[in-house]
Amino acid sequence: DAGVIQSPRHEVTEMGQEVTLRCKPISGHDYLFWYRQTMMRGLELLIYFNNNVPIDDSGMPEDRFSAKMPNASFSTLKIQPSEPRDSAVYFCASSSRKTGSTDTQYFGPGTRLTVL
Amino acid sequence: DAKTTQPNSMESNEEEPVHLPCNHSTISGTDYIHWYRQLPSQGPEYVIHGLTSNVNNRMASLAIAEDRKSSTLILHRATLRDAAVYYCIHAGGTSYGKLTFGQGTILTVHP
Repeated sequence: DAGVIQSPRHEVTEMGQEVTLRCKPISGHDYLFWYRQTMMRGLELLIYFNNNVPIDDSGMPEDRFSAKMPNASFSTLKIQPSEPRDSAVYFCASSSRKTGSTDTQYFGPGTRLTVL
Repeated sequence: DAKTTQPNSMESNEEEPVHLPCNHSTISGTDYIHWYRQLPSQGPEYVIHGLTSNVNNRMASLAIAEDRKSSTLILHRATLRDAAVYYCIHAGGTSYGKLTFGQGTILTVHP
């Protein structure tokens, strides 16, 4: 398996522009997570999905952020409009909750976002 | 929030064992203890997890205190590739999926 795939790996944009980050989870996984990592705040969970349905979006910082999962193999995280304080590395992770399993999550390589 | 306490940093020499401690005094009876690590410029990766008994896998060993309020991740022979930030997390039960990452321990391995 190719693991969790994220695109783009790097994104540089100007303040006010729309940014869309993409994630392809591991095939067969039914949970998908979006995290953000900054030096100041560390690694934070933004939102997670189960079977394509958002379960908990309490970590989404504000209405400028939105996430969708139209099918089991694709998710997007959109920021509109972007601001310099959104600059961070955004990680996508997936997991599978089989009987007896725990929270073993598999992370993608991340998207480094820079908002100028 | 599920909080853990870890030292900010630790150092080791290559080929020596490393013991990374973690306190999780607020752990509930159904929470598992998870360890992840993050190598430079990469996403976190799973290392090991356990509930009550000590656990071993190809990467590391996990020693869990009898009262479950602390645990220790053991790298038996550190290599340069083990230099990373190590995160200790307790989670599970009804809050499946919500991993709360703290600041972790920065492990430096000297050749």
